[in-house]
Amino acid sequence: EAGVTQSPTHLIKTRGQQATLRCSPISGHTSVYWYQQALGLGLQFLLWYDEGEERNRGNFPPRFSGRQFPNYSSELNVNALELEDSALYLCASSLSGTGASEQYFGPGTRLTVT
Amino acid sequence: AQSVTQLGSHVSVSEGALVLLRCNYSSSVPPYLFWYVQYPNQGLQLLLKYTTGATLVKGINGFEAEFKKSETSFHLTKPSAHMSDAAEYFCAVSASNYKLTFGKGTLLTVNP
Repeated sequence: EAGVTQSPTHLIKTRGQQATLRCSPISGHTSVYWYQQALGLGLQFLLWYDEGEERNRGNFPPRFSGRQFPNYSSELNVNALELEDSALYLCASSLSGTGASEQYFGPGTRLTVT
Repeated sequence: AQSVTQLGSHVSVSEGALVLLRCNYSSSVPPYLFWYVQYPNQGLQLLLKYTTGATLVKGINGFEAEFKKSETSFHLTKPSAHMSDAAEYFCAVSASNYKLTFGKGTLLTVNP
């Protein structure tokens, strides 16, 4: 069974540009989560999507947004990129959006903003 | 709200020695607790989880953790370290809001 996949692996953007990151969950999983892993800041929750709806949002500005498609894949968009957005962005999926469901992580997208 | 504190950002052990990685949590509701491992330039891999029931949880690669409510702890142990265990380990808590709240991580070094 295929795991969570993310694309691209690496992304280099210039400050002020927009970045789009993509995630495909494990087959059968309906929930998708996005996390940011920035140097010195650890892993921080960004967004949670379930059944096509945004269910929860972390403490990030509105220029971080996303969506979930009917096939449960998801897209994270970061507008007006800032240098501090440079980080590893991890996507995770789970069977259902409950606290007990373990989340399975993809390999991440390394975003570098210059 | 919940939080996780991992004591020790870096732990170094000899091959064959006991591994003990400490995790304390804070949660206003009964927590679900997880340990994840991250190898360099990779995503997170689930080692084990505690939801309800037995407080001693066994995971993959010989790791186990014990949930101690009175101490609000969920420490990770492995009787005998292997070189391949060298990685960064994250403790996480989840409650009714479904997101995972992670600790800062503990980098485990295994010396030959």
